[in-house]
Amino acid sequence: QSVLTQPPSVSAAPGQKVTISCSGSSSNIGSYDVSWYQHLPGTAPKLLIYENNKRPTTIPDRISGSKSGTSATLGITGLQSGDEAHYYCATWDGSLSVRVWVFGGGTKLTVL
Amino acid sequence: QVQLVQSGAEVKKPGASVKVSCKASGYKFTNYPIHWVRQAPGQVLEWMGWINTATGDTIKTQRFQDRVTFTRDSSANTVTMEVRSLKSEDTAVYSCFRSYYDSAWDWGQGTLVTVSS
Repeated sequence: QSVLTQPPSVSAAPGQKVTISCSGSSSNIGSYDVSWYQHLPGTAPKLLIYENNKRPTTIPDRISGSKSGTSATLGITGLQSGDEAHYYCATWDGSLSVRVWVFGGGTKLTVL
Repeated sequence: QVQLVQSGAEVKKPGASVKVSCKASGYKFTNYPIHWVRQAPGQVLEWMGWINTATGDTIKTQRFQDRVTFTRDSSANTVTMEVRSLKSEDTAVYSCFRSYYDSAWDWGQGTLVTVSS
């Protein structure tokens, strides 16, 4: 059971847009920046978004992130078959005596 | 470029210990923490903790407090994770990552640890 809640799956056709939500609480998303990752089977996760809405230089601008209150959203436009993967949100959680890193449960993106 | 290279897959019996290493290159090792996560088959990513590579201080989640140790060798730019008293439920892919801007900026390739009698 993850502290951050993501939909198990989303799908859309090539060229379309998809959004993936990440819901948390005041002790995590409400207090800390969110990052997003793409994970393909057998490979290391790849950072897509840091500090809620910033992209590493290697990530195209069809990938976007936003945060409002205790929720965050990842957006992908111009879907391609190569986007089919699992996507995870992550942030810190300060509800315990020490700050811990938490991941969402992951969302499987299917490009139809 | 930045690289984190982990040691190879391991097969262990219940009750044994395992060490997984994470060798960093391409940046100043002591400037960034190294974290460890694991993903068991069919399960979500689970953060285990982190090590301050400058001081050696560590933070681990409660679940791993007693069985897991993180150490670093600054001369070799390497962090090592040890898990003791292995159980079948510890079968997972263990990965290290370098944190930067409070994100998992660079990742190791992952190490499969299989615990089986």
